[in-house]
Amino acid sequence: DAGITQSPRYKITETGRQVTLMCHQTWSHSYMFWYRQDLGHGLRLIYYSAAADITDKGEVPDGYVVSRSKTENFPLTLESATRSQTSVYFCASRDLGGNDYTFGSGTRLTVV
Amino acid sequence: RKEVEQDPGPFNVPEGATVAFNCTYSNSASQSFFWYRQDCRKEPKLLMSVYSSGNEDGRFTAQLNRASQYISLLIRDSKLSDSATYLCVFEAAGNKLTFGGGTRVLVKP
Repeated sequence: DAGITQSPRYKITETGRQVTLMCHQTWSHSYMFWYRQDLGHGLRLIYYSAAADITDKGEVPDGYVVSRSKTENFPLTLESATRSQTSVYFCASRDLGGNDYTFGSGTRLTVV
Repeated sequence: RKEVEQDPGPFNVPEGATVAFNCTYSNSASQSFFWYRQDCRKEPKLLMSVYSSGNEDGRFTAQLNRASQYISLLIRDSKLSDSATYLCVFEAAGNKLTFGGGTRVLVKP
């Protein structure tokens, strides 16, 4: 199906483990983004990418790593998960010059 | 000061009534403004863009006041299905969106 998909939808992991959240879009949009949403903070930008092999830090990048080897994929890795990274993570994409950001359904991550 | 500030609400609105709320922003370089809607922690979805001259989309009216640095959203003839959290969003240079914390609206029969 066309669109933007995130996996997994739900994930529980232990402190210190590495975990990767996947994001895949079928539109070949240039821009992709990772946000986290926590109560009292709204959505905060973690990392974004303007094209394959181009990534930049957002507002809250510490503890996260991204890559964009292919236009359609933008995985987010927590190298050593901490409880403070318990959150809902949203991936989004946007085409160059477009006005609409389309979000995935989100990944609810719990770090215990 | 936060970059984007919204009254978290909730705004309890009788069905059929009008509700309006604002969002202030601090970055004067903001170029584009949007209202997004989010239901029950699902993904945000674009409701409407906000233009300098103001714009309408059915029962929804958005306004931008650059001098005072705020945008507003007005919902007329509220429906039960309008119950949601409305996110104020702006975009500065760099194609990055900055989100407000959201205003929760509850429409009641």
